[in-house]
Amino acid sequence: LAKTTQPISMDSYEGQEVNITCSHNNIATNDYITWYQQFPSQGPRFIIQGYKTKVTNEVASLFIPADRKSSTLSLPRVSLSDTAVYYCLVGLTTSGTYKYIFGTGTRLKVLA
Amino acid sequence: KAGVTQTPRYLIKTRGQQVTLSCSPISGHRSVSWYQQTPGQGLQFLFEYFSETQRNKGNFPGRFSGRQFSNSRSEMNVSTLELGDSALYLCASSLAEYSTRGTDTQYFGPGTRLTVL
Repeated sequence: LAKTTQPISMDSYEGQEVNITCSHNNIATNDYITWYQQFPSQGPRFIIQGYKTKVTNEVASLFIPADRKSSTLSLPRVSLSDTAVYYCLVGLTTSGTYKYIFGTGTRLKVLA
Repeated sequence: KAGVTQTPRYLIKTRGQQVTLSCSPISGHRSVSWYQQTPGQGLQFLFEYFSETQRNKGNFPGRFSGRQFSNSRSEMNVSTLELGDSALYLCASSLAEYSTRGTDTQYFGPGTRLTVL
């Protein structure tokens, strides 16, 4: 069964860089990898999306190796407001069918 | 642009009943996907609709169904509710032409919190 796994939790201090990795096998060939942030009782909020190598926007960077079996979300200089759960989302093709699969989620706690 | 809206935001039902949840996508978006979120199972994909047709489906029983209307609005229905159906149900929309499946960004609504007693 295809799975998409992430570390369960991470702690960091304000101002530090945080890297969260997502491991995904059977990723669909042409699909992007997307990362979301979720606060309690809210829907996931888009952070960044990429296909390969490195993508950067105003809030994060995304690193994807050539084999695309994993990806790393990098949050520079986190603040208390970055405390949330972070999910990767990929499209997986298994047994000829296509599904969107969320990662298991990483609970990030930013400490003062 | 207005974001994805979902109604109702909260719902309480009893076992055996059925429920219908509604989702209005971002204007111009043609694809709507539904997800179930529970503490134990995380975020799980239910199904995706594009141009009024279901084009992808997750591993959920037939009690879970959906449809999409010509204006891209979507509904999902759960029949014969079970206690385990208590969850946050999330809807996401994307621009999505068929050929760009998997490469369009999905934008999520706030969800409908369903409690089954």
